[in-house]
Amino acid sequence: EAGVVQSPRYKIIEKKQPVAFWCNPISGHNTPYWYLQNLGQGPELLIRYENEEAVDDSQLPKDRFSAERLKGVDSTLKIQPAELGDSAVYLCASSSTYGRQETQYFGPGTRLLVL
Amino acid sequence: ILNVEQSPQSLHVQEGDSTNFTCSFPSSNFYALHWYRWETAKSPEALFVMTLNGDEKKKGRISATLNTKEGYSYLYIKGSQPEDSATYLCAFIGAAGNKLTFGGGTRVLVKP
Repeated sequence: EAGVVQSPRYKIIEKKQPVAFWCNPISGHNTPYWYLQNLGQGPELLIRYENEEAVDDSQLPKDRFSAERLKGVDSTLKIQPAELGDSAVYLCASSSTYGRQETQYFGPGTRLLVL
Repeated sequence: ILNVEQSPQSLHVQEGDSTNFTCSFPSSNFYALHWYRWETAKSPEALFVMTLNGDEKKKGRISATLNTKEGYSYLYIKGSQPEDSATYLCAFIGAAGNKLTFGGGTRVLVKP
């Protein structure tokens, strides 16, 4: 079974430029998540989907970040414009359903560097 | 704001030695604790989901215990091998919550 796929794996951009990350959850998983991981810290949830509906996006900085679930499968996370403080690892995860005991399966992440 | 702490932040272990480290979390309104292992350049890998006080889970040479009354979990690595080198993350979810709150991780380096 293929795992969660993310691209690109690495991205270097200049500040004020836009950037987009792509995630393909595990087939059949209806609950994709986007997390932000700063150096030395644990991942923090940005947004979670249940099927095609975005739920729990309270930590998503909506002035510059946006997320989309494409045709109920893939998901994208966009930053426009990027700031220096956005340099971090962006992780996508998915689970088959939403539940507090449900295991979340993570992708390898996209490491973003904003110069 | 939920406080999930892991200690130590990092540790060096000699190959063959056993080691353990701690995850502390709020003892009230506990629902589940997740453990993940994250090797460099790879995806975080789920190790355990623990829900019951006194629970003990094992996967190969790695095991974990849970004390929900005092709010801590230990993760043990027996006979550490270089392939155990990774960051180990715990994540708490409360009975009233709907998302995982991660600790900062313990980075383990096993030296041959």
